This record gives sequence, structure tokens and C-alpha cells, in this order.
Amino acid sequence: AQSVTQPDIHITVSEGASLELRCNYSYGATPYLFWYVQSPGQGLQLLLKYFSGDTLVQGIKGFEAEFKRSQSSFNLRKPSVHWSDAAEYFCAVGNNAGNMLTFGGGTRLMVKP
Amino acid sequence: GAVVSQHPSRVICKSGTSVKIECRSLDFQATTMFWYRQFPKQSLMLMATSNEGSKATYEQGVEKDKFLINHASLTLSTLTVTSAHPEDSSFYICSAEGTSGRGGAKNIQYFGAGTRLSVL
Repeated sequence: AQSVTQPDIHITVSEGASLELRCNYSYGATPYLFWYVQSPGQGLQLLLKYFSGDTLVQGIKGFEAEFKRSQSSFNLRKPSVHWSDAAEYFCAVGNNAGNMLTFGGGTRLMVKP
Repeated sequence: GAVVSQHPSRVICKSGTSVKIECRSLDFQATTMFWYRQFPKQSLMLMATSNEGSKATYEQGVEKDKFLINHASLTLSTLTVTSAHPEDSSFYICSAEGTSGRGGAKNIQYFGAGTRLSVL
């Protein structure tokens, strides 16, 4: 069975600082990996995805993530955080049929002025 | 592109009534739609997967007679919470999977904005 772990429940960073959100997954084959962002009371917006190819993927809003098979990780990064990035971030793993997403517990990002 | 509309965004109802939530893919056709439930400060839990024209597949522990799902067309799926009780109060989110050639990328789920259900 596939599973996702986001070790950090809350993270606080200062505006302008760099950010890394951790994600570890468990899946028997090459996974489809996603990062979504959720603002309060809203649905989920896709930030980026990895299916195959280049292990460093670029997403929207200046985010990137790197797939590391040896570490079963897909950490999300941003070089300089903006106050508007404060939200809940979910990492998800999908099966290769694309019809089953398993979400991590989420990481709530807070941004200090 | 790949916009999913969910309606209503907020609903308050009395215990014992039924509530219908609609999920529409506005600019693409979705053969598969998903319904999730999210408790406060928690992650999304998949409730069921619905395929157009067939019965939904429910996850373990989800009562199919309680949460009726209909996916009558390639752009619309509905979730009806029947005889709602206060414990059904939650945030319900739908998503639609894109299909190659019909707008919306394959293997990606596009999410609606969610419906907050409060049962009094």
C-alpha cells in the first residue's frame, strides 16, 4: 500500500528566508508525486508534479521539488518565501494509473514578517 | 484551464435532512471524479471514486447508503449526504481527473474549492 509522511506538522519561516518542506513516501513502483497547497477554507491547488524524467521539477509560484529515489523523498523548496505563501501544504503519491492519491498529513506554513 | 467548480461552498442544515453537493469540471471532461472528506487540521481522506456511468467505489468504512454518489455525465458528479447528523459536519472536497485529449492532463486530479457542511 502506498503511504506518505510529512514529518513537520508546522513550520514557521521569516519572509524572504528559504523553505524546505519534507515528504517521504512508500510505494512499490516508480511513484507519481504531487505537491498541493491549500489556503484556509479552500480546495487544493497543484504546485507541481513528478511522473518521470528530470528529478528536479519546477512548479508554480517559484516552488521546486526534487525526487530522490534512494531516500524515498520528494521535498518541496522555495528560495525566498513570501507572506502569501502561508498555507497548508500536502504531499501526495499516486499510483501509475492516476486514480488513487494518498495524501500526507500536511504541513502548515506560517510566515513571519 | 482544468477548472473544477464545487457548489455550494457552504451549507448549514438541520439534522435529518439531506444535502446535495455538486462537482463540475468546467472546461474538461472527467471520466473519474473523487470525493474526499477533510476534518479540521487534518489531511484529506478519500471517500469514494466515481466513474461516469457506473457505480461509485467506496473506501472502507464509508457508508454508501449514507453518502450517495452519482456521476451521470462527464462533467458532473454529485454527493448526497442523506439524513445528515452533526457528526457528518465536515469539509467535503471533490476532484476530477483529466483525460488526455479532452483538456485537463491525465493522471492529475484537479480540485474543487470544497463544501463546508454544518449539521445542526
